[in-house]
Amino acid sequence: EIVLTQSPGTLSLSPGERATLSCRASQRVYDSYLAWYQQKPGQAPRLLIYGASSRATGIPDRFSGSGSGTDFTLTISRLEPEDFAMYYCQQYGSSPETFGLGTKVEIK
Amino acid sequence: QVTLKESGPALVKPTQTLTLTCTFSGFSLGTERMRVSWIRQPPGKALEWLARIDWDNDKFYSPSLKTRLTISKDTSKNLVVLTMTNMDPVDTATYYCTRMGHGFNFFRDWGQGTLVTVSS
Repeated sequence: EIVLTQSPGTLSLSPGERATLSCRASQRVYDSYLAWYQQKPGQAPRLLIYGASSRATGIPDRFSGSGSGTDFTLTISRLEPEDFAMYYCQQYGSSPETFGLGTKVEIK
Repeated sequence: QVTLKESGPALVKPTQTLTLTCTFSGFSLGTERMRVSWIRQPPGKALEWLARIDWDNDKFYSPSLKTRLTISKDTSKNLVVLTMTNMDPVDTATYYCTRMGHGFNFFRDWGQGTLVTVSS
């Protein structure tokens, strides 16, 4: 199965700053079938990005995804207070679908 | 509007069988390419995909858990059931029901989750 490694484990930033989260796959992700999710404490995850770069319905355009092959990035252009949360990447190009261990974006 | 809700016991004993039900609205599992999955998350840990059932009743399981899992659906009642046998304390987790992308295996909509604790 494909192992996803997310880095950094924790990102300490201030509101208004740019956040860059990395997700690296142990094998090529077929057709860039990679998704990103946001999870806040006590809540279910929320789909942000699918297909590496397509925003899900209702997701603000400050969230963007990029990458292909084995390296993918989630960028939050300007952090809003509600963006401080846990972020997970997930690949769905190969079975079984797998998740990374997550990156926590915390307030500096 | 799509909604999903998980229900089941909050506490199970080791070796028991867990049965969880996902009741959903806003879509039909009879629609072509529709899919529903179960995912779990141990406290403070990452997400793990468990099982999936498709509109045509195809079923898929996590290789590491497939001997313990059974997924089924009742299309007329808009529900999906997951059973997990031989529960162990390491199975303590929040269990989520999800609607997947139409024909794609990302997780578009999520239930609120249900916390299951395995303890004697």
